[in-house]
Amino acid sequence: DAKTTQPNSMESNEEEPVHLPCNHSTISGTDYIHWYRQLPSQGPEYVIHGLTSNVNNRMASLAIAEDRKSSTLILHRATLRDAAVYYCILRVNRDDKIIFGKGTRLHILP
Amino acid sequence: NAGVMQNPRHLVRRRGQEARLRCSPMKGHSHVYWYRQLPEEGLKFMVYLQKENIIDESGMPKERFSAEFPKEGPSILRIQQVVRGDSAAYFCASSPRGLAGVADTQYFGPGTRLTVL
Repeated sequence: DAKTTQPNSMESNEEEPVHLPCNHSTISGTDYIHWYRQLPSQGPEYVIHGLTSNVNNRMASLAIAEDRKSSTLILHRATLRDAAVYYCILRVNRDDKIIFGKGTRLHILP
Repeated sequence: NAGVMQNPRHLVRRRGQEARLRCSPMKGHSHVYWYRQLPEEGLKFMVYLQKENIIDESGMPKERFSAEFPKEGPSILRIQQVVRGDSAAYFCASSPRGLAGVADTQYFGPGTRLTVL
């Protein structure tokens, strides 16, 4: 299984941008990079995904390195509601289950 | 469009009893996944079902656990003769079937928190 590496935890101040890194050096050409997050006492929530190009949506931006061995989830202006565990996941083409790692626990300081 | 619904939200059982967890996928979704999250741990895949078929049960314990997704009605995760180690949050997710070969987004329910006394 393709694996990802993320920092265990990060802190950020409210209303500042947050850059959450993810390494995936064994990524294959057909793996999509997905990000989910899990707020306290809730189910995981889809954030964003991409293949090669950078992606933007209303929640976040995803910056993918040119060699695809790493990516960064960018929250442009963190709020207290963004405090969660963020999971960087490789979705193998044609494979359907999600393999969650430990993720990064993001703390937002008021 | 209502999201993924799970019930009950909290379930308490004594050792040896049966637990039945229900999941209603989002409207139009025909694919259901079950995940388990033990206290202070990450989510682990259990089983993937389509209507009336089990597609992947590689994460399901071989004994006491079963899952179904009938033609009509919700998906059911059933745990027989529960033990304390079954205490966990059980999450259900659903997805549509989009383009062939593309990993579809999964939409998660709020979970059922099972406590075994």
